[in-house]
Amino acid sequence: GENVEQHPSTLSVQEGDSAVIKCTYSDSASNYFPWYKQELGKRPQLIIDIRSNVGEKKDQRIAVTLNKTAKHFSLHITETQPEDSAVYFCAPTFTGGGNKLTFGTGTQLKVEL
Amino acid sequence: GAGVSQTPSNKVTEKGKYVELRCDPISGHTALYWYRQSLGQGPEFLIYFQGTGAADDSGLPNDRFFAVRPEGSVSTLKIQRTERGDSAVYLCASSLKGGATTDTQYFGPGTRLTVL
Repeated sequence: GENVEQHPSTLSVQEGDSAVIKCTYSDSASNYFPWYKQELGKRPQLIIDIRSNVGEKKDQRIAVTLNKTAKHFSLHITETQPEDSAVYFCAPTFTGGGNKLTFGTGTQLKVEL
Repeated sequence: GAGVSQTPSNKVTEKGKYVELRCDPISGHTALYWYRQSLGQGPEFLIYFQGTGAADDSGLPNDRFFAVRPEGSVSTLKIQRTERGDSAVYLCASSLKGGATTDTQYFGPGTRLTVL
């Protein structure tokens, strides 16, 4: 099965700084790469995703970059705000397997004022 | 429109009891997923329905766990002879088509199960 690791496990930044979270996976068949945000006690919510035929995708302050050869993809958040504080999960997926998500270990992001 | 809903939001039970957890997916979504999230970890896949049928139940930990979706909408996760290790948040998600697509999975708020 898919082995997924995220680094760092915790990340603390000052408001306005950038944050980068890296996700490494093992299954070369993975072709869909979403990032989910989960605030304390809340449900996971998709914030951005990328398909395997694209190297980068950006949505306002959030971007995802993919390196399929090296089997890793990263979440980039610019101009961080306190409301970005949450746990972020990557979930690299092989859609041919029914699109069941295999979540990473999570990264706790704290944005300090 | 309404999102994915789950009931109950919290369930406390005693070891050895039977519990049922309910999921109401987004209307029209054919794919439904169950995940389990233990404290401090990411959600772990349990079972996936495409319509009424369980397309993949490889994540169910043992035969005490069972899930149904008889009419292709609401799903019930059933746990027999509960154990303390079953304590977790049980999350349900639905997507429009499922299968070999990259449909977004929308999660419900979860049911927090505590087994005493």
